[in-house]
Amino acid sequence: GNSVTQMEGPVTLSEEAFLTINCTYTATGYPSLFWYVQYPGEGLQLLLKATKADDKGSNKGFEATYRKETTSFHLEKGSVQVSDSAVYFCASLPRMGGGNKLTFGTGTQLKVEL
Amino acid sequence: DARVTQTPRHKVTEMGQEVTMRCQPILGHNTVFWYRQTMMQGLELLAYFRNRAPLDDSGMPKDRFSAEMPDATLATLKIQPSEPRDSAVYFCASGNLPGGWEKLFFGSGTQLSVL
Repeated sequence: GNSVTQMEGPVTLSEEAFLTINCTYTATGYPSLFWYVQYPGEGLQLLLKATKADDKGSNKGFEATYRKETTSFHLEKGSVQVSDSAVYFCASLPRMGGGNKLTFGTGTQLKVEL
Repeated sequence: DARVTQTPRHKVTEMGQEVTMRCQPILGHNTVFWYRQTMMQGLELLAYFRNRAPLDDSGMPKDRFSAEMPDATLATLKIQPSEPRDSAVYFCASGNLPGGWEKLFFGSGTQLSVL
């Protein structure tokens, strides 16, 4: 079946530190991959996406590269800010089977401190 | 800005009571999803609709949960009777699918506590 595994949180970093949140997926074929962000008290928002191998999604200083060989889509940011504190969800959308269903990871909470 | 509106934002109720959560999708969107978020399970898909017709509700406990779209501007998720294990945040999302996944919008959720 389709599944997404994320590193557990919370991840606590100092401002300007480098961020990596790991995400790996299992799927039939090559799914589209997404990162969503959930700020406190809000719904999820799409942060970035990649639809095929070696694609790099980027937005607001965040990046993630679709790695077929390692079935991964790790989220990175070179210098985090306090305003990046949120919960980050990795998600996959299968191309074959599974219908129109996004499968989400369990989320990783990021806390950025001054 | 167009947004998905969910009501109520918070609901506290006692076990056995009926709970109704409402969602107003973005006008023109053809697909509506209901998700449940808990610490243990993360985000689970409960049900979704396309053009108001239910396409998949396999994630929903059928004996107590029901989801409907009485019209294009309203989706409802009902729990009867509610149980403490139903305590979670329930999210509605809408979009134009297939193909418009980058424009899937989530509401702010209904935080449900069943005592």
